[in-house]
Amino acid sequence: SQQGEEDPQALSIQEGENATMNCSYKTSINNLQWYRQNSGRGLVHLILIRSNEREKHSGRLRVTLDTSKKSSSLLITASRAADTASYFCATVTGNQFYFGTGTSLTVIP
Amino acid sequence: DGGITQSPKYLFRKEGQNVTLSCEQNLNHDAMYWYRQDPGQGLRLIYYSQIVNDFQKGDIAEGYSVSREKKESFPLTVTSAQKNPTAFYLCASTPQGYNTEAFFGQGTRLTVV
Repeated sequence: SQQGEEDPQALSIQEGENATMNCSYKTSINNLQWYRQNSGRGLVHLILIRSNEREKHSGRLRVTLDTSKKSSSLLITASRAADTASYFCATVTGNQFYFGTGTSLTVIP
Repeated sequence: DGGITQSPKYLFRKEGQNVTLSCEQNLNHDAMYWYRQDPGQGLRLIYYSQIVNDFQKGDIAEGYSVSREKKESFPLTVTSAQKNPTAFYLCASTPQGYNTEAFFGQGTRLTVV
């Protein structure tokens, strides 16, 4: 399977703290993307980082990519209760999207 | 508003029945995908289509069938051959080209009764 893996599987933090989740994958990629899923809903795209990029920012989100280690991390700074959701990485090769197993984030008010 | 619509939101199937899940998009996207999500797990690819009248099997295609007669529509049929169909099904679409994001519908929760 080309499915990636996120860790930790679950993360619980206090509001205002930073949350970091990691993604490891196995194959070469065109880009890596992070998505958010609220319970029982579809996935929403957060950020895309290309294979030749090392770091990218979008608002409170910071993504890093290390293609030599086949890993990526997503940092959410100054977390809010509304950030509570599951977060998935997706590795993209051609038009194929391979989603990881997800990290369930709970932000405690 | 442009988007991708899945229906119904909830679907109940009796043992031995075929059911069809609808996925429609008005984003003019070329590629469409069906994923299955089981509780606490990631998404697994069932089928995908890059162009009208063409589709390919994903990792878990057994017991499922699809069609792509129109660019806007990519229905998924869960057949009686699928032994464990209870799951959350997600449809997605992407525009042509590399480095594009996927747009998802809100999902259909299928339960076997």
